[in-house]
Amino acid sequence: AQSVTQPDIHITVSEGASLELRCNYSYGATPYLFWYVQSPGQGLQLLLKYFSGDTLVQGIKGFEAEFKRSQSSFNLRKPSVHWSDAAEYFCAVGYTGRRALTFGSGTRLQVQP
Amino acid sequence: EAGVTQSPTHLIKTRGQQVTLRCSPISGHTSVYWYQQALGLGLQFLLWYDEGEERNRGNFPPRFSGRQFPNYSSELNVNALELEDSALYLCASSLVEADRGFFGPGTRLTVL
Repeated sequence: AQSVTQPDIHITVSEGASLELRCNYSYGATPYLFWYVQSPGQGLQLLLKYFSGDTLVQGIKGFEAEFKRSQSSFNLRKPSVHWSDAAEYFCAVGYTGRRALTFGSGTRLQVQP
Repeated sequence: EAGVTQSPTHLIKTRGQQVTLRCSPISGHTSVYWYQQALGLGLQFLLWYDEGEERNRGNFPPRFSGRQFPNYSSELNVNALELEDSALYLCASSLVEADRGFFGPGTRLTVL
């Protein structure tokens, strides 16, 4: 069965430091991949998505992600974290045929001053 | 262009009651997806409607049901509410594969 793994439940970084959140998927074909951010009590905000083409995807708020087929990964990165980036981040995979997305369990990011 | 909208924003019900949540998709989108985000359980797929038909269903009991109207808006109904139904219910919509990924703000349901 298709699945998404976010191995880090909780990450703490200092403000201004770089960030990488890991995401691995299990899926036979080329997936559609998404990263979302969710602040407490809020809905999901789409940061970026990959469908095809350039494997390095730029998103909003200075985030980027790289699709690596050989590693079945789609890690999210940001060169310099701001205190406002503290939130929960979800990776998701979409199958062909417009089926619903499958989500990872999320990574909670804490930013230290 | 308006995004996915949901109503109400918050809802408080008691055990055994019934609730209806509403979702309006992005204009032109024919598919609506419902997800549940309960504390500690992550985001779980509930239901997928497309062109008025239920296309797929997640691992939820039959008391979770819904429908899609001719204008592609959708309702999610939950009967015989249980405490564990307390969650954020999120709706998403799409037209083609590449459209997927856009969510509404959610409805927070609290069951007392």
